[in-house]
Amino acid sequence: AQSVTQLDSQVPVFEEAPVELRCNYSSSVSVYLFWYVQYPNQGLQLLLKYLSGSTLVKGINGFEAEFNKSQTSFHLRKPSVHISDTAEYFCAVSENAGGTSYGKLTFGQGTILTVHP
Amino acid sequence: DAGVTQSPTHLIKTRGQQVTLRCSPKSGHDTVSWYQQALGQGPQFIFQYYEEEERQRGNFPDRFSGHQFPNYSSELNVNALLLGDSALYLCASSRLRDRAYGYTFGSGTRLTVV
Repeated sequence: AQSVTQLDSQVPVFEEAPVELRCNYSSSVSVYLFWYVQYPNQGLQLLLKYLSGSTLVKGINGFEAEFNKSQTSFHLRKPSVHISDTAEYFCAVSENAGGTSYGKLTFGQGTILTVHP
Repeated sequence: DAGVTQSPTHLIKTRGQQVTLRCSPKSGHDTVSWYQQALGQGPQFIFQYYEEEERQRGNFPDRFSGHQFPNYSSELNVNALLLGDSALYLCASSRLRDRAYGYTFGSGTRLTVV
C-alpha cells in the first residue's frame, strides 16, 4: 500500500518570495511521483513528474521538485512566486510495477498556497 | 484537441436516489479512472477501466459502479445516495502504455446530495 503526506495544509507567502511545499511518501515498491495543481472550481493539472533518472525535475510555470529516495520525499519548489500561483497543490504517487500495475494515483491531502501582494 | 470532458458540471440529488456521471477521455486515451474529492480533501481513487473492464478498485462500496464503452467513454453510477457522497467527482484518462506519464483530468462533476 502507498500513502502520501503533505506536511503543510496551508502556506502563505508574499509575491516574489521563494516557496517550498513538502511531500513525503510511503510505499513498499518503486513509485512514480507527481505534483498536480488545482485552481478553484477546476480539475487537476499536471505540474511535473518523476519517473527515473535525474532527481531534480522541472515542470511548468517555473516549478521544480527534487526526489530524495533516502528520505522518501518529493518537495516542490519555486524560487519566486506570483499571485497567479495561488491554488491548491497535490502530491501523488503511483506504483512502478510495470505490466501488473494500472497506475492508480494515491494523493496527499493537499497544500493551499496563497500568494499575497 | 479536447481534453477530458465530464457531464454534467453540477448536480443536486436527494438521499436514496441514483446518479450517473459521464466522462469522455482525451483523444487517443484508452484508460479511464474515477476519483472522489470531498471538500478539503485530496482525490480518492474509486476505480479504473481499461478494455471495458474494471481493472482496479479503491475502497468504495458496491453502490459505486461503472462502465466503459467501446469508444472509451465511461460512466460512474452511484446508487442509494448518502449525504456523504457529496463531492467533486473527477475523471482522468491516459493511454495504458503511457500511464507512467500521468493522467489528464477533467474539470469534474460537483454532486450535492440533500
